[in-house]
Amino acid sequence: AQSVSQHNHHVILSEAASLELGCNYSYGGTVNLFWYVQYPGQHLQLLLKYFSGDPLVKGIKGFEAEFIKSKFSFNLRKPSVQWSDTAEYFCAVIVTSGTYKYIFGTGTRLKVLA
Amino acid sequence: DTGVSQDPRHKITKRGQNVTFRCDPISEHNRLYWYRQTLGQGPEFLTYFQNEAQLEKSRLLSDRFSAERPKGSFSTLEIQRTEQGDSAMYLCASSLLYPLSGQGISGANVLTFGAGSRLTVL
Repeated sequence: AQSVSQHNHHVILSEAASLELGCNYSYGGTVNLFWYVQYPGQHLQLLLKYFSGDPLVKGIKGFEAEFIKSKFSFNLRKPSVQWSDTAEYFCAVIVTSGTYKYIFGTGTRLKVLA
Repeated sequence: DTGVSQDPRHKITKRGQNVTFRCDPISEHNRLYWYRQTLGQGPEFLTYFQNEAQLEKSRLLSDRFSAERPKGSFSTLEIQRTEQGDSAMYLCASSLLYPLSGQGISGANVLTFGAGSRLTVL
């Protein structure tokens, strides 16, 4: 069955530190990959997405993610975090054939210290 | 269009009662998803619709849960005989199956979430 794993449940960083959040999915077919973010008190919203083409995708607020097909991974990165990046980050996968079920990981809660 | 609307935002009920949540998606979105989220967890898939057709329902969902999307517009999620374990945030999201003209493929399959309906079962 399709699943998404996020390895880091809680991450605490100081401002200007670099960030990498891991995401692995289990499905061998064609997928679309996403990172969503939920800022305190706000809705879940899209951070970035990968559909096809260049495996390095850039999103809002300086975030980027790299799709490594051989590793079934889609890790999120940011070279220098800010206090305003404090949020919960969710990796998600949709299989683009068959069910089109949209599956989320358990999330990573990031706290950035000013 | 103001996005995805969910109603009510909060519901407190006694165990055994029935509750119903409503979701109004973005009008041109043909897909609608329901998720449940508890503290410290990611959104857990419940079910989804493509237009008015319910295409998949999670096997984790008991028969007490039912969802409808008449006419492919708004959707309702009903929980019968609520239990304390049903306490959670119920999220609705909608998306396009295919991108709109001029939007390119990137417009498809991006979820827009509502604010959620928080259920507390006493």
